[in-house]
Amino acid sequence: GAGVSQSPSNKVTEKGKDVELRCDPISGHTALYWYRQSLGQGLEFLIYFQGNSAPDKSGLPSDRFSAERTGGSVSTLTIQRTQQEDSAVYLCASSQNSGPDTQYFGPGTRLTVL
Amino acid sequence: AQTVTQSQPEMSVQEAETVTLSCTYDTSESDYYLFWYKQPPSRQMILVIRQEAYKQQNATENRFSVNFQKAAKSFSLKISDSQLGDAAMYFCAYRSKDNDMRFGAGTRLTVKP
Repeated sequence: GAGVSQSPSNKVTEKGKDVELRCDPISGHTALYWYRQSLGQGLEFLIYFQGNSAPDKSGLPSDRFSAERTGGSVSTLTIQRTQQEDSAVYLCASSQNSGPDTQYFGPGTRLTVL
Repeated sequence: AQTVTQSQPEMSVQEAETVTLSCTYDTSESDYYLFWYKQPPSRQMILVIRQEAYKQQNATENRFSVNFQKAAKSFSLKISDSQLGDAAMYFCAYRSKDNDMRFGAGTRLTVKP
């Protein structure tokens, strides 16, 4: 079946603009995760959804970052007033349930803030 | 907070040889999950192997196996009969029962023909 998809694959924006990143999880997966990967670094956890609710928002780096998930499916990560330090690859993952289930990753969105 | 440490930024191995990638972690929990992910240049994170902490037996997946030492909080990955397609970044990851997931900084593996 189809895997996790993300759009756009690449996004170049100017400092101060808002951006929206989209994630389509695997059908039927209730848990959805957002991560940020800066150049040459490991993954930094941002936020996790179980269904439409986000029990853990502790990883969001600032109040410019927000995320929502509607219908227990598609999720959008929004970054307001982008800064150059926001440049990174944003990865989304989904799993059938939370807990021990394996996370399946999308190909990521590479965000470049000029 | 849990931390995951990969002390080898880069490793190289000759094709068909064996290589071991190191990972240590810090936690006060007794029940958790450990993972190795592979990230080729395509950026796609691919699960290589997983281990439940309550299981004493080391996980194996074909040419990939782990050496899980719970007391030492060590979780190394052994790749046997290395292939050119194994070249990638490898990330060790820890996941708690309440879904806190932490990744190491990664090890870049080069496979020499």
